[in-house]
This record gives sequence, structure tokens and C-alpha cells, in this order.
Amino acid sequence: GESVGLHLPTLSVQEGDNSIINCAYSNSASDYFIWYKQESGKGPQFIIDIRSNMDKRQGQRVTVLLNKTVKHLSLQIAATQPGDSAVYFCAENYPPNNAGNMLTFGGGTRLMVKP
Amino acid sequence: DAGVIQSPRHEVTEMGQEVTLRCKPISGHDYLFWYRQTMMRGLELLIYFNNNVPIDDSGMPEDRFSAKMPNASFSTLKIQPSEPRDSAVYFCASSLKQGNTEAFFGQGTRLTVV
Repeated sequence: GESVGLHLPTLSVQEGDNSIINCAYSNSASDYFIWYKQESGKGPQFIIDIRSNMDKRQGQRVTVLLNKTVKHLSLQIAATQPGDSAVYFCAENYPPNNAGNMLTFGGGTRLMVKP
Repeated sequence: DAGVIQSPRHEVTEMGQEVTLRCKPISGHDYLFWYRQTMMRGLELLIYFNNNVPIDDSGMPEDRFSAKMPNASFSTLKIQPSEPRDSAVYFCASSLKQGNTEAFFGQGTRLTVV
């Protein structure tokens, strides 16, 4: 996958620090959210998901927080590593409970990890 | 499973030519999606299928684009005639049918129309 957007927000962090990537989603009726990671030349790769009946979910080194009141999603990466450098996308399942699993993607945030 | 497989990985064609992109979804997945990724517009859903049937093609930009899924293990996205503004990375993804589940993406086809 190529870089998305000349004006991609960029987050630069030091190796070992924690990273927080934020996303504002569009539709209050969305009931399912996913974070994807896209490395250069590759397709988006699933990281973690969360359903609207939850406000927090943890994975290995990653945590997703959902605030439905303000339609905000965040991805926290603990002890960021150089291999975490990529573009991160949030996606919402909208319209909800549709016939398929349609995902609407945000614009992406580029994470750069400094060694 | 090898994941979602797309071919070709790269395609360079001249304006006006027909382009066919191919996708093999993950075995057992009932949903197949075609996305386009550009610098200006990010990731856009073009069309998706459920059990080989097109469900929503509202994202297909115009009549020059068409997609088919003749069986559960194969789909094509065709552009005829191609134009330079079609240059993008095209992704195919598939997912299971049960409720809200993640879509698994292929490696993409980078299309350049000159």
C-alpha cells in the first residue's frame, strides 16, 4: 500500500515510549470498530477490534479505547518498537448491521519510531 | 491458508486499455470486498459481494468499472477503458459472515495508467 495522503498526520515517538493514536469516527450508530496497520508495500493488517458495548479492549501491547459520547477511538501501543512504524487506520462498520461487514476507513496516521 | 491472494502485484498499462485485477479470497469467507487506495482519497470501498452476489456497488466510480465473482474462490475487477486517474492501489479483502468481523486484506495491485 502506498502512503495515504500528502497530509497524513504523523506521530513521532522514541523507541520504548508509549504511543497513542487517535481517531474521530463519523457515525454515532456504528457498532463495531477496527484498527488496522499498514506497512509500506503491504495491505492493511488487523490489529484489534472493539464492539460498541465495550469501552476498552486490550491485546498484546495494544489497547483500544472507545468513547461513544464524543465518537472517539484511540489506539495505545505500549513500549513502541521500530517494527511498529507504519500507517494506522481506524475503521467503523457503517451502516451498522448491514448485510455485510462494510468498513469505512479514516484517513490514517503515520507512526514513526525513532531508535 | 495463504490469505487473500491478488494478482498481478503491479500493472502498468496505457490509457484506453482494459485492465483486469484478480482476487482469491480466504477459503470459507462469505464476503469479498474491493477497495481502492489513493493519496487523495485514502481507502474507498468500491463494491462488495456476499456469497458471490454483489450487494453494494455504490462505490464504483463509473461504468468503466465492473466486478464479478463467478465462484466462491475468485473475483475480478475490470476497468475498461482505463484512464490515468484510475492509477491507485487496489485491494481485495474477505471476511466471515458471522456478525461483525475483521476483513483480511490482500497485498494489493498497484495500477499505473500512463
